[in-house]
Order: sequence, then structure tokens, then C-alpha cells
Amino acid sequence: EVQLVESGGGLVQPGGSLRLSCEASGFTFTSNWMSWVRQAPGKGLEWVANIKQDGSEKYYVDSVKGRFIISRDNAKNSAYLQMNSLRGEDTAVYYCARYRDSTKRFDYWGQGTLVTVSP
Amino acid sequence: DIQMTQSPSTLSASVGDRVTITCRASQSIDTWLAWYQQKPGKAPKLLIYKASNLESGVPSRFSGSGSGTEFTLTITSLQPDDFATYYCQQYNSYSPMYSFGQGTKLEIK
Repeated sequence: EVQLVESGGGLVQPGGSLRLSCEASGFTFTSNWMSWVRQAPGKGLEWVANIKQDGSEKYYVDSVKGRFIISRDNAKNSAYLQMNSLRGEDTAVYYCARYRDSTKRFDYWGQGTLVTVSP
Repeated sequence: DIQMTQSPSTLSASVGDRVTITCRASQSIDTWLAWYQQKPGKAPKLLIYKASNLESGVPSRFSGSGSGTEFTLTITSLQPDDFATYYCQQYNSYSPMYSFGQGTKLEIK
């Protein structure tokens, strides 16, 4: 059974940093792209970042470029999102998702972790 | 940026009804369109990918169609479990690479 478990969310002040983790199981982690997608309270979904199987390609939505870094540790079956210079508009539930590049779909999602940016 | 516009924003229907949700892209995305279902407090669930392909394990009452700029998600014979919010998602080679529609909330009439 595919499982994605996020952790690391919490309350942080504007300008602060947070690192989210996503631990994967039930599939061959090294064969899959991984992604982060977020959802602000009461709002829709917004793709944040993608990382290729070997970490050689990374893509970001413009609003987080230069502030967020996606990474992965294939030995630990884990993906990460380092979030720096956080702003109020980054407040959201952050979902880790498995991304299938051949069909451009996010086929499995974690339960999400809430990040709140507030003074 | 490619904008995705879903309609309607809210849809009221009854168990057993057939419903259709539309998603329009501001420019052609070929068939790079997926549909997701989300229930309150839960993660999205993939239903349809590449416009018309049913994800494994998803009931056959869900179907998708379209190409270019106009796409539809159809649910035949609504079941109680189908009342949720539905999102379309597009892929393009420009920025942002992926964007979602604003969502359609399917409510019980």
C-alpha cells in the first residue's frame, strides 16, 4: 500500500523558516518524481514544487522561487521542502504527492501538514 | 500563465442524478488534464488523468472527456459518497507548470 506521511508543520513567524518532511513507503521511491502541493484555508489547490527521481531536476511555482527548496534522500525514502523567508500567504496545508511524469498526474497524496505563518 | 476556469462553482444534485462539471483552459493543453475529488479535511484523490483515463480503483460512473481547451467530468448515477469538491488540474511546459481550477462543490439537493 502506498503511503506518504508528512511532518514538520507548525506555527512560524513571518520571515522564519520551516522544513517539511515526507516519508514514503509501499512503492519504489527511486523510480518516482515527488511533489509538494498546498492549500490555503478554505481555498483551492496550488502546486508548489517537483523533484525528479535523482534530484537532478527541480521546478517551482514562481511565488516560492528563491525561498523554498525541494530535496530528497533516496536512502531514506523521503522528500523535503525547506521553506525560508515565510510570508502570511504561505499559510496552508502542505501535501506531499507522488507525481507520474509520463501522464502528468499526482496519483497518491499524503494527509497534509499545516503551516501557519503569523506574528 | 494558463488559467483554468471550472463551472459551475457549486452544483446541487440528488442521489441517482447525472452531473457534468466543465473545466476550460485559457489556451490549449492538448489532453494534459486531470480531475481530483476532495472531501473536507482530506487529501485530494485522483479520478481521471490525461483527460479521459480512469485511475485504477475509481468507479466507472466517473468519466472524463475533452481536449484542447474544454474538458468535462461526468458522474452518472450519483452516490452518497460522491458529494465532495472536484478540481481539474492542467499541465503545460510553461510557468506555472501545473495549475488547478478553483473547484466545484457538489452538494446534496
